[in-house]
Amino acid sequence: DAGVIQSPRHEVTEMGQEVTLRCKPISGHNSLFWYRQTMMRGLELLIYFNNNVPIDDSGMPEDRFSAKMPNASFSTLKIQPSEPRDSAVYFCASSFTSGIADTQYFGPGTRLTVL
Amino acid sequence: GENVEQHPSTLSVQEGDSAVIKCTYSDSASNYFPWYKQELGKGPQLIIDIRSNVGEKKDQRIAVTLNKTAKHFSLHITETQPEDSAVYFCAARKASNYQLIWGAGTKLIIKP
Repeated sequence: DAGVIQSPRHEVTEMGQEVTLRCKPISGHNSLFWYRQTMMRGLELLIYFNNNVPIDDSGMPEDRFSAKMPNASFSTLKIQPSEPRDSAVYFCASSFTSGIADTQYFGPGTRLTVL
Repeated sequence: GENVEQHPSTLSVQEGDSAVIKCTYSDSASNYFPWYKQELGKGPQLIIDIRSNVGEKKDQRIAVTLNKTAKHFSLHITETQPEDSAVYFCAARKASNYQLIWGAGTKLIIKP
């Protein structure tokens, strides 16, 4: 398996623009997580899907952030409008959540810079 | 709310020596404790994990110990090598919804 795939790997945009990050989880996994990593705040969980349904979005910073999972093999995280404080590395992770063994496998991340 | 405290934030050890990173969690119902290693420019990768019915687990040069009474767990790396240099994260899984609560990370530096 290719692992979790994220695109783009790097994104530079200007304040106010819409940004869309994409994730393809590992085939067969039923849970998907979006994280944001910064030096100041560390690794933060933004939203968690199970079987394509958002379970907990309490980590989404504000209404400018939205996430979708239209099917088991694709998810997007959208920021509209983007702001400089959104600059961070965004990770997608997937797992097979069974309550017993649910290792999260991380993608390579998308480094977002908002000017 | 639930949280995980991780210490130290930076650890520098001589190559060949041992390194120990410690974490404390607050949710007594947590039942799964993974450790992740993050190399520069990459996502975190699982290196070892332990479940609440086990006190210690070892995999070659790395080991994890868990003290449920004290609510703390530790990562031990023996015979450290240059490739062990990375940021290490501990986490505790919430029993209620399988989410991981993450520590702040430890930057491990192996001095040649």
